[in-house]
Amino acid sequence: DADVTQTPRNRITKTGKRIMLECSQTKGHDRMYWYRQDPGLGLRLIYYSFDVKDINKGEISDGYSVSRQAQAKFSLSLESAIPNQTALYFCATSDLGDRRINEQFFGPGTRLTVL
Amino acid sequence: EDKVVQSPLSLVVHEGDTVTLNCSYEVTNFRSLLWYKQEKKAPTFLFMLTSSGIEKKSGRLSSILDKKELFSILNITATQTGDSAVYLCAAGANAGGTSYGKLTFGQGTILTVHP
Repeated sequence: DADVTQTPRNRITKTGKRIMLECSQTKGHDRMYWYRQDPGLGLRLIYYSFDVKDINKGEISDGYSVSRQAQAKFSLSLESAIPNQTALYFCATSDLGDRRINEQFFGPGTRLTVL
Repeated sequence: EDKVVQSPLSLVVHEGDTVTLNCSYEVTNFRSLLWYKQEKKAPTFLFMLTSSGIEKKSGRLSSILDKKELFSILNITATQTGDSAVYLCAAGANAGGTSYGKLTFGQGTILTVHP
């Protein structure tokens, strides 16, 4: 079984619709992250959470919100989707321990298309 | 603002060739440099380097970090078609840096290996 799972894997929606992407992990990690990937731009951080009570904005948080429902679950919402939010979205986790803090483990990704 | 730049952005070689991928970084309170391989979906972890001059090896792949000149290289020898992928470089910071617990990614290098 995958350690980090994302649902849905693919989604096509229309402009203005509310969309939620979900991420679950069984690695027991405290830190969770949401990224988006666009061609030629690498991975850009949207939001991150160091524990259930901690939510932080990344470099491109406008138009997105998140919810950390439990240690193992971190969801990303697009309140009113727009076409330039069409991208590949990744969830990632990392260990609380300081020694391996930077080693992140990625989910399989969600391909979102906004028409 | 923390920054990671990779070069070249794309590279086409033939099987058996040796390739060198470059990554330069500017990260406040730099802690570690990571390399990921991304084939179809999720990035998978290759290396994490924290000390300058340390060469990590894993089969045909090796990587060096130069903390004085702020760059890393990823070498792949005797390339195979299965090495075709996007290679992502990322940098993380220590506590006190603006990127603590986060990774700043480069744009990625698209490597294509022809038979």
